Amino acid sequence: NAGVTQTPKFQVLKTGQSMTLQCAQDMNHEYMSWYRQDPGMGLRLIHYSVGAGITDQGEVPNGYNVSRSTTEDFPLRLLSAAPSQTSVYFCASQRHNSGGNTDTQYFGPGTRLTVL
Amino acid sequence: KQEVTQIPAALSVPEGENLVLNCSFTDSAIYNLQWFRQDPGKGLTSLLLIQSSQREQTSGRLNASLDKSSGRSTLYIAASQPGDSATYLCAVKPSSASKIIFGSGTRLSIRP
Repeated sequence: NAGVTQTPKFQVLKTGQSMTLQCAQDMNHEYMSWYRQDPGMGLRLIHYSVGAGITDQGEVPNGYNVSRSTTEDFPLRLLSAAPSQTSVYFCASQRHNSGGNTDTQYFGPGTRLTVL
Repeated sequence: KQEVTQIPAALSVPEGENLVLNCSFTDSAIYNLQWFRQDPGKGLTSLLLIQSSQREQTSGRLNASLDKSSGRSTLYIAASQPGDSATYLCAVKPSSASKIIFGSGTRLSIRP
């Protein structure tokens, strides 16, 4: 198993540009999520999904879109990049049963994004 | 609203010491609590997962405890080594939500 993969590893954007951060997992996990990590602020949840076709907002969703057309993929789209979106972005996945309980969370290696 | 706090933000101890990292949460209604390790510039690696019905979990030199009634968890590291230097984060899965809430982490440094 490759686990959780993310591309690209590094990206530099100009203000106003759009891009998609890719995330894929091969563990057949229902639950996938996107976090951003900023110094002194820990991990903050951007969006999450409990299964294909289902997404929901996290703590800091503004400026980001997601979709979940397959179990494996959960891309994060930046619509119009802003310097405030400079951060490290992590994708994670885990099993999620109908009762809402979850198992160990697995993280990707992260994407370091700089917006100029 | 569930909040997760980790104090201290940074800790430095000499090699060989046993140490305890703390995690507190405001709402005791949780499904589970997970401890992670993060090395600089890397992603998070899961260390231990404690379900709400459990009191502790052990893996090698690591032992994590959970006291839901007091809203506290501790990660005990025995016989610390320089390779244990990293940031340790705890995360709570509330019973009433699908969102997982992270603490801001404790940056641990083990001095040789």
